[in-house]
Amino acid sequence: NAGVTQTPKFQVLKTGQSMTLQCAQDMNHNSMYWYRQDPGMGLRLIYYSASEGTTDKGEVPNGYNVSRLNKREFSLRLESAAPSQTSVYFCASSGTDRGENQPQHFGDGTRLSIL
Amino acid sequence: DAKTTQPPSMDCAEGRAANLPCNHSTISGNEYVYWYRQIHSQGPQYIIHGLKNNETNEMASLIITEDRKSSTLILPHATLRDTAVYYCIVRLRPTDSWGKLQFGAGTQVVVTP
Repeated sequence: NAGVTQTPKFQVLKTGQSMTLQCAQDMNHNSMYWYRQDPGMGLRLIYYSASEGTTDKGEVPNGYNVSRLNKREFSLRLESAAPSQTSVYFCASSGTDRGENQPQHFGDGTRLSIL
Repeated sequence: DAKTTQPPSMDCAEGRAANLPCNHSTISGNEYVYWYRQIHSQGPQYIIHGLKNNETNEMASLIITEDRKSSTLILPHATLRDTAVYYCIVRLRPTDSWGKLQFGAGTQVVVTP
């Protein structure tokens, strides 16, 4: 009953280091998403993948890259981490039922600090 | 997608109904109202959604006004585990959009014994 699994749960980086956040879902969902959440704020969409083989930018894509490795996995990469990227990162996925998009399911987040 | 307005916080006594308001005065005819909540340190959790009819599931009820400019999420018997930030989100109907959500600041609900 895993749902959406994110790894790692916590990470501390130094400015300039690179890092890949992993996300996997076991619900056979087509769509996957990466959000970030800063203290006291709602979630903001970084990138999304409507289906396997496609990715698109969300609200705040600068400084990030993504890879939809297969239907299950969607990774988020920080090539050169900056302190402004300190945040909690959430991965989500959603499927369709008779052509209608279903609500998103979220992982428990990766807490990333950049010094 | 239409913008939503929610009160920043509200308190509720355990066992009582919690009524969470949301204004979405610029909602268009093909936009749905979604509710999610986020319990501290966890990922957001879907609660319910609707277009114009009232909806009920095992978690909550959603009441949408006739003009669709506002809605109310009702938690019928609040428990301490319902303490969370509740987000009201308006977006295009599911068949028009693959699922992008735009979160605002939400309402911090505190359920007290």
